[in-house]
Amino acid sequence: QQQVKQSPQSLIVQKGGISIINCAYENTAFDYFPWYQQFPGKGPALLIAIRPDVSEKKEGRFTISFNKSAKQFSLHIMDSQPGDSATYFCAAKERGIQGAQKLVFGQGTRLTINP
Amino acid sequence: DAMVIQNPRYQVTQFGKPVTLSCSQTLNHNVMYWYQQKSSQAPKLLFHYYDKDFNNEADTPDNFQSRRPNTSFCFLDIRSPGLGDAAMYLCATSRDLKQPQHFGDGTRLSIL
Repeated sequence: QQQVKQSPQSLIVQKGGISIINCAYENTAFDYFPWYQQFPGKGPALLIAIRPDVSEKKEGRFTISFNKSAKQFSLHIMDSQPGDSATYFCAAKERGIQGAQKLVFGQGTRLTINP
Repeated sequence: DAMVIQNPRYQVTQFGKPVTLSCSQTLNHNVMYWYQQKSSQAPKLLFHYYDKDFNNEADTPDNFQSRRPNTSFCFLDIRSPGLGDAAMYLCATSRDLKQPQHFGDGTRLSIL
């Protein structure tokens, strides 16, 4: 059972364009939604995160839009650059064993920014 | 400077031969996690330590064990690796159970 569904699986955007990656979830108990960026041969790095009490969070060129009623959230990358080419994972936190921050990841989106 | 350090970066072992992967952290975080990530897939949590308390995910095979001798180090032991265990193994830490996780760069394990 895929608790967090991410789309598209791959995305190609021209330099300077807007990259948009979408995620949807079912579990209303999720209370924290991070996005991770992963370059080949590297571990995932936390990019930006949002909690469900806000509808948007912006950090530089990266924005998360959150729609609690639709149970959807998305990552927007403005003015996309070739250095943004990476795999992006959305995730959601659920309360696991002993309250641990158990992250449930989406399937990932491989983003390519063409120069 | 790397704060979650995994060694080695690449590990090759033989089918059925025990292997140990290492993770160390300079963040003094209480929680350490081990994830398995197969090619083109999302990371999958295997288990975590909160301080010395070990917490296993229900679907983690018995073949996978872990040790945390002190705050800074955590080890992943695979007792009898099978071909299906070839993957990237990621270590992550967090200050406590509710704080963001910081990942290392992983160890890529190959099984001959």
